[in-house]
Amino acid sequence: SQQGEEDPQALSIQEGENATMNCSYKTSINNLQWYRQNSGRGLVHLILIRSNEREKHSGRLRVTLDTSKKSSSLLITASRAADTASYFCAVRYSGAGSYQLTFGKGTKLSVIP
Amino acid sequence: NAGVTQTPKFRVLKTGQSMTLLCAQDMNHEYMYWYRQDPGMGLRLIHYSVGEGTTAKGEVPDGYNVSRLKKQNFLLGLESAAPSQTSVYFCASNLGQGYDYGYTFGSGTRLTVV
Repeated sequence: SQQGEEDPQALSIQEGENATMNCSYKTSINNLQWYRQNSGRGLVHLILIRSNEREKHSGRLRVTLDTSKKSSSLLITASRAADTASYFCAVRYSGAGSYQLTFGKGTKLSVIP
Repeated sequence: NAGVTQTPKFRVLKTGQSMTLLCAQDMNHEYMYWYRQDPGMGLRLIHYSVGEGTTAKGEVPDGYNVSRLKKQNFLLGLESAAPSQTSVYFCASNLGQGYDYGYTFGSGTRLTVV
């Protein structure tokens, strides 16, 4: 399996703090994406970063990509209780037939009010 | 604009029964996917389609069949359900022309096989 690996598996922080989640992958990629899943719901696309990009921002989200280390991090600043969810990284690997995303197992974030 | 709609939302099957899960999208997306999500396993790709009339196997295709007769619909069939197919099933779609698009997911079908 070429699943990405998120770290940590679970994270608990106080409201207002920053949350950082990491993702590692195995081979060269076209892009890496982050998704959020609230309990019992489908996944929601948050942000996509291409292999030639190093950093991207969207609102309170900041994503970095280090292709030399084959890793990415997602930073959520000034967290809110509503950010409580599971966060998944997904990679689109390079190469022929790379239509699909490969998802990691997720980081479960709990933001305590 | 409904996005991706999955039916049914819940289903209980007996071992050996068959059923079809329906996924419909109204965004004119070219690519569609079926994933299953199990505790501690993340999402695993079952089958996918890169256009009307096409299907391809993903990581865990055994025990499932799919059809994409219309661009907007992607059906997932279980011919003879087994307890190992107890899972939450998600359908997703994306534009597909090029690779820099995120997926739109449905809200899932929770299937229990007893």
